[in-house]
Amino acid sequence: DGGITQSPKYLFRKEGQNVTLSCEQNLNHDAMYWYRQDPGQGLRLIYYSQIVNDFQKGDIAEGYSVSREKKESFPLTVTSAQKNPTAFYLCASGTLNTEAFFGQGTRLTVV
Amino acid sequence: AQSVTQPDIHITVSEGASLELRCNYSYGATPYLFWYVQSPGQGLQLLLKYFSGDTLVQGIKGFEAEFKRSQSSFNLRKPSVHWSDAAEYFCAVDRGSTLGRLYFGRGTQLTVWP
Repeated sequence: DGGITQSPKYLFRKEGQNVTLSCEQNLNHDAMYWYRQDPGQGLRLIYYSQIVNDFQKGDIAEGYSVSREKKESFPLTVTSAQKNPTAFYLCASGTLNTEAFFGQGTRLTVV
Repeated sequence: AQSVTQPDIHITVSEGASLELRCNYSYGATPYLFWYVQSPGQGLQLLLKYFSGDTLVQGIKGFEAEFKRSQSSFNLRKPSVHWSDAAEYFCAVDRGSTLGRLYFGRGTQLTVWP
C-alpha cells in the first residue's frame, strides 16, 4: 500500500536525551514535512524538505534537526535543546499542486 | 500573525442537523485551500481542496466547501451530520510560494449529540 509510515507510535524521552522519529513514504513525493501539534494550537511546521539533501527551517525549528539523504525518508531528531518536546508529531509528504498526505503520528512524552 | 482563522474552537450539533465550520485567511492572492479531519490520536485526512475553478467544491463523506474571494473565506458545510463526523477539523492554506508549505488554523472540535 502506498502511504506514509511513522514510527514509533509512542515514544518516551528522558530529560537530556536526543530521540529520533522515523518517517518513510513510498508515494514518490518530492517534498516532506514535519509538524508539531499541541492542543488548541493547530499544526506548526518544524522543518521541510523539497528535494533530497536539502531542507529548510519552518516556524519552530529550534531544538530539532532533520536529514534527507533519501527521497523516501525524512527522520526528525528532537534534541536536548528542545525544552518542551512533549507533543504529537506529524510527518507529511506532497508534490506540486497536490495536497499533503499525513502519517499517523508519533506521540512523544518526556518522563 | 495568524494567517488562517477558525473562529469556533468547539461546536456541538445534534445528529441530523446541518453543519457549517468557518475558515478565513489573510493572504492577498488566492491560495490553495484545504479542509482536513482528524480523529483522536490519528493523522489528518483530506476532506476536500480548492485550487481554482468552481468555487463550490465537493469532498468525501458528504462534505462541501465554498470559496468566497470577497470574504477571504472557505467554509465547510454538511447538510446532515452523522455521529461518526465527531472529530477535529482543520482548515489549511498553501500560499503557493513554497511547494506544499501549509498554514493551519487552530482547529474546530465537533461534538455530535445522538
